[in-house]
Amino acid sequence: GAVVSQHPSWVICKSGTSVKIECRSLDFQATTMFWYRQFPKQSLMLMATSNEGSKATYEQGVEKDKFLINHASLTLSTLTVTSAHPEDSSFYICSGIGDNEQFFGPGTRLTVL
Amino acid sequence: AQSVTQLGSHVSVSEGALVLLRCNYSSSVPPYLFWYVQYPNQGLQLLLKYTSAATLVKGINGFEAEFKKSETSFHLTKPSAHMSDAAEYFCAVSEVWGAQKLVFGQGTRLTINP
Repeated sequence: GAVVSQHPSWVICKSGTSVKIECRSLDFQATTMFWYRQFPKQSLMLMATSNEGSKATYEQGVEKDKFLINHASLTLSTLTVTSAHPEDSSFYICSGIGDNEQFFGPGTRLTVL
Repeated sequence: AQSVTQLGSHVSVSEGALVLLRCNYSSSVPPYLFWYVQYPNQGLQLLLKYTSAATLVKGINGFEAEFKKSETSFHLTKPSAHMSDAAEYFCAVSEVWGAQKLVFGQGTRLTINP
């Protein structure tokens, strides 16, 4: 199947700083990518839909100014957590649509101190 | 709105025993249904999907699931559990073809006892 990578796989940052997470589709072009967050022992919650060349669509309750999404190319989407706080600590997972299937990245664990 | 309920947050079976993970869905239109597996600190891997063709769907690693419209269920089974099956399993539903905007259940952690 198609491969999606994320970088970094884990990051620790201080409260108030910004963190950028990259999501790349390695062997296919993903017009649409999704960003999810997963709290410990919980399910994945969709944060936003990222479409190449256009603004992301955010789910209700997700602050678009806090979670900045950029989908500049068909193989790269980035999520920037701005002014991170401890409550933003979570596992962030991206996925890309290829051949009518979602392919998921390995996730990025963010810890905000 | 669509939703998924997975009965049992934790299921424990013996190696070689039948695995049954339950999933019930709610959807206003004929749904597309999926089962994913997640190993610790990893992303999700698709096990199988129902796309309105055959109601009994076979997936990878010996898993299968049966779509039952009358019961709004899509339970996942495997005849004989293996130690490597220990993981978190998520059922998901989509009302749009192409795995767009998946809604996930809360997950079931499967433990295999030797």
